[in-house]
Amino acid sequence: DQQVKQNSPSLSVQEGRISILNCDYTNSMFDYFLWYKKYPAEGPTFLISISSIKDKNEDGRFTVFLNKSAKHLSLHIVPSQPGDSAVYFCSPIYGGSQGNLIFGKGTKLSVKP
Amino acid sequence: NAGVTQTPKFQVLKTGQSMTLQCAQDMNHEYMSWYRQDPGMGLRLIHYSVGAGITDQGEVPNGYNVSRSTTEDFPLRLLSAAPSQTSVYFCASSYSPLPQGDYEQYFGPGTRLTVT
Repeated sequence: DQQVKQNSPSLSVQEGRISILNCDYTNSMFDYFLWYKKYPAEGPTFLISISSIKDKNEDGRFTVFLNKSAKHLSLHIVPSQPGDSAVYFCSPIYGGSQGNLIFGKGTKLSVKP
Repeated sequence: NAGVTQTPKFQVLKTGQSMTLQCAQDMNHEYMSWYRQDPGMGLRLIHYSVGAGITDQGEVPNGYNVSRSTTEDFPLRLLSAAPSQTSVYFCASSYSPLPQGDYEQYFGPGTRLTVT
């Protein structure tokens, strides 16, 4: 059973508009939620994170929202740029299990000029 | 800092052959891990290590061995390659997950492995 789900395999948006990527999880013990970005033929790179004690974290064009009651988080990119076209992975963490670093299946974002 | 390096970048093996994927990091990270990425499957944890001499299994460990004799290196060994092990392999490192903290993983560029 998947502890983290990214139900949209792909998303296409127009340049300048908002991109919203979603992630759902099942384990209420998660402490932090990280988003990674991956370009083809490269390793993932860290993008932004949020602690479970917060409901929002913002970094420039990127904002992550956390709804603990719904076990749902979302990544907003505003405005979207063609360089944002990549696969985005959601990765929740909890310190109770040292090896439990898991990732969602990812959402491929395409930003069209 | 070179960060996390992986060699080779590409490899083709025949079924039954063995090989070692190399991973090294120069950030003095305690935690290192190996993932495989398959289409539609995201990143799945194979093995991980929380420090030199300590390793443990992840979600998909069968067919793979690891060891951690130094902080810097974390090689992944394929014992007898099978077509099901065709994948892209990523090594990652981070500061120790304990105590709990907002730690990110640093990934290498990946090794694309094909088993025929």
